[in-house]
Amino acid sequence: GAGVSQTPSNKVTEKGKYVELRCDPISGHTALYWYRQSLGQGPEFLIYFQGTGAADDSGLPNDRFFAVRPEGSVSTLKIQRTERGDSAVYLCASSRGLGYEQYFGPGTRLTVT
Amino acid sequence: KQEVTQIPAALSVPEGENLVLNCSFTDSAIYNLQWFRQDPGKGLTSLLLIQSSQREQTSGRLNASLDKSSGRSTLYIAASQPGDSATYLCAAITQGGSEKLVFGKGTKLTVNP
Repeated sequence: GAGVSQTPSNKVTEKGKYVELRCDPISGHTALYWYRQSLGQGPEFLIYFQGTGAADDSGLPNDRFFAVRPEGSVSTLKIQRTERGDSAVYLCASSRGLGYEQYFGPGTRLTVT
Repeated sequence: KQEVTQIPAALSVPEGENLVLNCSFTDSAIYNLQWFRQDPGKGLTSLLLIQSSQREQTSGRLNASLDKSSGRSTLYIAASQPGDSATYLCAAITQGGSEKLVFGKGTKLTVNP
């Protein structure tokens, strides 16, 4: 079956602009996770959803970052007033829930100029 | 706060060698531990998941072990091949409710033909 997909694969935006990153999880996976990976580092947790609700958003760096999953499937990560420090690869993962493997998408590379 | 460390940061071996990658974690109250492979510019591929009640998992030439008391996990790769060249990441979910993975920075493996 299809894996986790993310769009766009690359996004270049100017400082101060608004961006949306999309994640399509594996069908039937109830849990969805967002991570951010900077060069040479391991991924860092941002937020995860169980169904439609955010179960843990403790990794969001500030209130410019927001994520939704309105129907319990597709999720959108939204970044307002982007800053150059937001440049990174944003990874999405999904799983059947606690205790199951997390499967990752290919990521969205965000570059803020 | 859980911290995950991977040593060495990079490793270069000749083809055919058996090798061990190390992962250590500070909080032994983990729920499970997952090993991933990441190729340059790509997302993460799940290799093995070890539940806290397990001591090891095997898949093909890969064997991962878990020792919670010492805060360590190892990934053993038998008969390494050039195609095994990639960055290997370990990540743990700590008990306490959140399903977030805490990652190490990875070990970059190069297998020379």
